[in-house]
Order: sequence, then structure tokens, then C-alpha cells
Amino acid sequence: GENVEQHPSTLSVQEGDSAVIKCTYSDSASNYFPWYKQELGKGPQLIIDIRSNVGEKKDQRIAVTLNKTAKHFSLHITETQPEDSAVYFCAASPLYSSASKIIFGSGTRLSIRP
Amino acid sequence: SQTIHQWPATLVQPVGSPLSLECTVEGTSNPNLYWYRQAAGRGLQLLFYSVGIGQISSEVPQNLSASRPQDRQFILSSKKLLLSDSGFYLCAWRPGTLRDGYTFGSGTRLTVV
Repeated sequence: GENVEQHPSTLSVQEGDSAVIKCTYSDSASNYFPWYKQELGKGPQLIIDIRSNVGEKKDQRIAVTLNKTAKHFSLHITETQPEDSAVYFCAASPLYSSASKIIFGSGTRLSIRP
Repeated sequence: SQTIHQWPATLVQPVGSPLSLECTVEGTSNPNLYWYRQAAGRGLQLLFYSVGIGQISSEVPQNLSASRPQDRQFILSSKKLLLSDSGFYLCAWRPGTLRDGYTFGSGTRLTVV
């Protein structure tokens, strides 16, 4: 079945440095790739997403890249700040599917050191 | 705009007691609805999803059940809670057109004692 692998499981970076989280997916029919940020005790929040017709998308300090051939996609956070500390989940989904499920990675706990 | 409501925020229940968690979505029609569970420090486990009224798909055999009595209402239930049912329960919705991702509710922290 569909599978999304996410690495690393934990990541600690110095404030101001960049953080990169990588994911791979198995279902070649996947064409929608959202990223979620979950703060302690809260539900996950969508922070950025990318569709398969583009290779990169950027929103201020956050960017996502997609390599459909290799089935890889990554989240890049530049100039990290303390409020970036959270758990991040990548996910993959076919945009048009009767199952309508989104498959999540196992999560990355990002800590920003002051 | 669309909003999702999930309640209660926290719940402490004894083993063997029943459970009912409710989720409602406003501002949209024919949403796809989902229940997830998250154990402490762990990932998101899909429990149930629904693409329409009365249509429930179960992902994991367990002590729980789900129902969708109305288009924008999704209920998670149990007749007798187990200790292992403790966790953070999240409701989510997605447009029926599937053009966007999930929007999650704020979650219910369930502790079975």
C-alpha cells in the first residue's frame, strides 16, 4: 500500500540556521504533497503544499521541493526562529481518488536552539 | 469561511465506560471527514473516514466505531473504553472535490483511567 517515509525523526538546529526535512513516497499516483506543523497540544496546521505540476514552491522562510522521478520531496526552513519549534509532518495523496486519504510521514520533531 | 469544531477538548473516562466525541464542519457541503488518533509523541493513525452520510470506512480494527448522521457531523464512539484507547483524537475534513488537503480540528485529549 501507500507509504511515506520521513527523516530525520528529530532535528535540532541553531537559531538562524536552516532546517531540512526529507520525505519519500511509494505511490506513483500521488500528486499532492502537503506539510503540516503541529505545536504541543494542538491539531496539525497546514503550512505549505505542492502539486506535482511544479518542482518548487516558496512562502517567505519556508520552501518545498519535489522530485517526482525520485519520489522525493523536502521542506526547507531558512533563518529558523524559536517559534519554528514543533513537530512537522509530510504527507502525500492522489488529488483525485475515491479513497481520498492522505498518507502521513511519521513526523520530525524540530527544536531550535537559542 | 469553513470552520471545524471538535469537542470536548479534554476527557478523563474510566475503563469500561462509553465514549462519544463529536466533530462538526461549517461553511462547506459534502466534505470528506476523518478521525485520527495520535499516541503521545507518535504519528497520526487514521481510524475512520467518510465520504458521505452513512458511509464509514474503517482503517484499523479496534474498540471504536464512527457514524455520520448528517452531512457535516462525524461522531466517534465506543461502548466500553480500554486503557489503550487513551490518546489525542483529531477530526479533519477535506473538500469533496479533493482539491486541497486536510483541515484538522483542535483535538480531544482522552485519558482512560
